Amino acid sequence: DSGVTQTPKHLITATGQRVTLRCSPRSGDLSVYWYQQSLDQGLQFLIQYYNGEERAKGNILERFSAQQFPDLHSELNLSSLELGDSALYFCASSSSGVMNTEAFFGQGTRLTVV
Amino acid sequence: GQNIDQPTEMTATEGAIVQINCTYQTSGFNGLFWYQQHAGEAPTFLSYNVLDGLEEKGRFSSFLSRSKGYSYLLLKELQMKDSASYLCAVSGRPSGGSYIPTFGRGTSLIVHP
Repeated sequence: DSGVTQTPKHLITATGQRVTLRCSPRSGDLSVYWYQQSLDQGLQFLIQYYNGEERAKGNILERFSAQQFPDLHSELNLSSLELGDSALYFCASSSSGVMNTEAFFGQGTRLTVV
Repeated sequence: GQNIDQPTEMTATEGAIVQINCTYQTSGFNGLFWYQQHAGEAPTFLSYNVLDGLEEKGRFSSFLSRSKGYSYLLLKELQMKDSASYLCAVSGRPSGGSYIPTFGRGTSLIVHP
């Protein structure tokens, strides 16, 4: 158990819909990273938050957004869903804001868009 | 941008040694990570190198050469449970802004009895 909790574990939704994925980081970790993993693309970095502020942005679509709340949990919002958004979404947390330490991954949310 | 190359698949025999190579290109290098990922599970941290040289941790070792943009992960005394995907990841500043992590597509290691 990494100490990072993601909910829900599985999500099935229709095209055009909007979903919210939730992540609770390890106790004491201030950084939260979101990743998308699909079979053809590998693990893609989406966005990072550090202590409530956006710290770094990767290949995140405009239809996707995220935020980190005062209690440090984070949510990833995916809207106008397309079939190609079907993937495993991971959240990871670390104590550092600049990715120079170990990051701990949650078990992921498997999103299926039908 | 940041680019990482690693072999797609490797096979090895239980008890043997295997070396998984990774080459990368980035700006503002801030370290290289290796993660292990079993199918359908979360990646788990194996190692972090920011300076040149070899870091040893039990059966696993990781090497970095910053001048060559090269790293390898060495797995000794292979066990069946080592069958997994091994992800090489680099932290850098490709656009001169924030540090961002980039993962390779992973090397699927199959360990045979």
